[in-house]
Amino acid sequence: GQQLNQSPQSMFIQEGEDVSMNCTSSSIFNTWLWYKQDPGEGPVLLIALYKAGELTSNGRLTAQFGITRKDSFLNISASIPSDVGIYFCAGLNYGGSQGNLIFGKGTKLSVKP
Amino acid sequence: GAVVSQHPSWVICKSGTSVKIECRSLDFQATTMFWYRQFPKQSLMLMATSNEGSKATYEQGVEKDKFLINHASLTLSTLTVTSAHPEDSSFYICSARGGTGWETQYFGPGTRLLVL
Repeated sequence: GQQLNQSPQSMFIQEGEDVSMNCTSSSIFNTWLWYKQDPGEGPVLLIALYKAGELTSNGRLTAQFGITRKDSFLNISASIPSDVGIYFCAGLNYGGSQGNLIFGKGTKLSVKP
Repeated sequence: GAVVSQHPSWVICKSGTSVKIECRSLDFQATTMFWYRQFPKQSLMLMATSNEGSKATYEQGVEKDKFLINHASLTLSTLTVTSAHPEDSSFYICSARGGTGWETQYFGPGTRLLVL
C-alpha cells in the first residue's frame, strides 16, 4: 500500500528559529494535509493542499504541495513554545468511496524557550 | 470548526472484559466515521471505516469480531473492544467526515485504553 516517509523524526530548536519538515511518497496523492497533535489529544488540521505546486500559508505556517504530487513540506517561522507537538503529514486520494487518509510517522518538535 | 467528541477519554479494564468507546459529531452530520489506533510514539493507523447505516469496512489485519463498530446514526459511532487483552492497550481516535469535502475529516480527542 501507499506509504509516506516523513522527516525529520524529531527536532530540538530554540524559540524564534524556523522549522522545516517534509513528506515524500512513492505514489501520488490528490491532497496533502498537515496536522498537529498535542499529547493525549487528537490531531488538528493545520493546512490542506489541493493542487500540485500550491503554496498555502496559515499564520506562521507555510506548506507546499510538490509539483510531482509525491511530496509536501511544512515550514514554521519564528517558532514559539506552543508549537511543541507532533506534526503529521497525510495524503488523501479520492478513489473509491472511502477517501482514506494515509499518515506519515510524524515529526516531534521541541522548542526551548 | 466542527467538533467531534469521544467518551470515555480514558478507561482501565481487566483482561477479558469488553469496552465500548463512543464517537459523536456534535454540530454536523457525519456520513462517514473512521477509527484509528495509535501506539506510543507512532503514527495513526486506520482500523476501519464506517458509513451510517452500513457495515464497517476493516483494514487488513484488523479483526472485525474483536473490534465491533456500529454507526447507527449520523452523529454517533461506537467501537467495542471485545474480550480485551493487554495488547489491545492503545490510544483510540475517531474522526468524522461530513457529506462534502473529502478533506474535512475532524478528529476526536482520543480514548486511552489500558487493559490490565
